[in-house]
Amino acid sequence: DAKTTQPTSMDCAEGRAANLPCNHSTISGNEYVYWYRQIHSQGPQYIIHGLKNNETNEMASLIITEDRKSSTLILPHATLRDTAVYYCIVSLYNNDMRFGAGTRLTVKP
Amino acid sequence: DAGVIQSPRHEVTEMGQEVTLRCKPISGHNSLFWYRQTMMRGLELLIYFNNNVPIDDSGMPEDRFSAKMPNASFSTLKIQPSEPRDSAVYFCASTRWENTEAFFGQGTRLTVV
Repeated sequence: DAKTTQPTSMDCAEGRAANLPCNHSTISGNEYVYWYRQIHSQGPQYIIHGLKNNETNEMASLIITEDRKSSTLILPHATLRDTAVYYCIVSLYNNDMRFGAGTRLTVKP
Repeated sequence: DAGVIQSPRHEVTEMGQEVTLRCKPISGHNSLFWYRQTMMRGLELLIYFNNNVPIDDSGMPEDRFSAKMPNASFSTLKIQPSEPRDSAVYFCASTRWENTEAFFGQGTRLTVV
């Protein structure tokens, strides 16, 4: 059973921020939220992860709601190369990484 | 580091033949994962190891599938006998046990005819 719910697809204009939502209403207190993406047929690529606090790295920002039941991945300035399937995963200790269907993000010129 | 290395990149075999997929994790990583990806079922976790020990193999579809990790630098996924429905891209990933990112290989595209 999927632990997360994501929209099937989203579009974003090049240069604009892409905001990808994820619902994880059954998350437990010690489970982390991970985001990965898969470009075409390549292996998935790690983006970011967090537990409670908002996180930012060179690729993206992760905003987790206070009740931890949902989160948003933000790509601040989307480029055409960010077109990919984005996966939100809830996992304990990075040892049960089960992928759902993800969100297919298309960045348009 | 060369990353997670999988071989072969492509494999075409006839139904009934044995297939062995190979994975070399990143040095120092102590967890290894095998995934299968198809259009119909998406990315499925088959099995994962921690310190060379299989922790959860509930995703292995049938007894025809088996995985081993004889040492920290090598793992195999074997299908015997192979069937056309096993056609998929198989990914291997590795990570440290702590909460750090998982690194994926480029995958092996298996076609069973």
